[in-house]
Amino acid sequence: GAGVSQSPSNKVTEKGKDVELRCDPISGHTALYWYRQSLGQGLEFLIYFQGNSAPDKSGLPSDRFSAERTGGSVSTLTIQRTQQEDSAVYLCASSQPAGVLLPEAFFGQGTRLTVV
Amino acid sequence: AQSVTQLGSHVSVSEGALVLLRCNYSSSVPPYLFWYVQYPNQGLQLLLKYTTGATLVKGINGFEAEFKKSETSFHLTKPSAHMSDAAEYFCAVSRTGSARQLTFGSGTQLTVLP
Repeated sequence: GAGVSQSPSNKVTEKGKDVELRCDPISGHTALYWYRQSLGQGLEFLIYFQGNSAPDKSGLPSDRFSAERTGGSVSTLTIQRTQQEDSAVYLCASSQPAGVLLPEAFFGQGTRLTVV
Repeated sequence: AQSVTQLGSHVSVSEGALVLLRCNYSSSVPPYLFWYVQYPNQGLQLLLKYTTGATLVKGINGFEAEFKKSETSFHLTKPSAHMSDAAEYFCAVSRTGSARQLTFGSGTQLTVLP
């Protein structure tokens, strides 16, 4: 596609339920990133994919969070047993392969998750 | 370790006035510095970036920023604000330039008054 696409754009879920957030990167971008933007805070790095592998998962806040990427394209971020503190905007970004000088990261519009 | 501080979570300017959004960083190595803009219900868009070389960096929409190593600052300016500049602005630093190592500031909401 022309840009990074995320779905759903908004998600309201009950505490304790599992949710899946989807990211469609720009075609040809092998690097993919997930960030979280909490109210009043900056963006927090969650996980980085190069192809289908995730060499950097250091930002995942707990074992309730996981992510996968298939076919070097679509990625899904899964949050199990959601808690109210998980409420945030989850942003996905993609870029050209690492190694290209300072590849620009293109961001999607985000998924606003509200846990009630 | 690296960190970014944006002074002022909210800034208001009149249309046509100077825009100045402040960003200070800390980094153990020479940094790569970025400014992103986020319009309502949209993703982040890169405004400009500093890598090496010229310390005054020009970006899109008439914005520019100057890297001042002695002050560890990378303030964003625009000579004349336009209503369409109203958005949230994020300063970010990276040790390597890779997006996976971006550290963002908490953001500054810019309001442009008619």
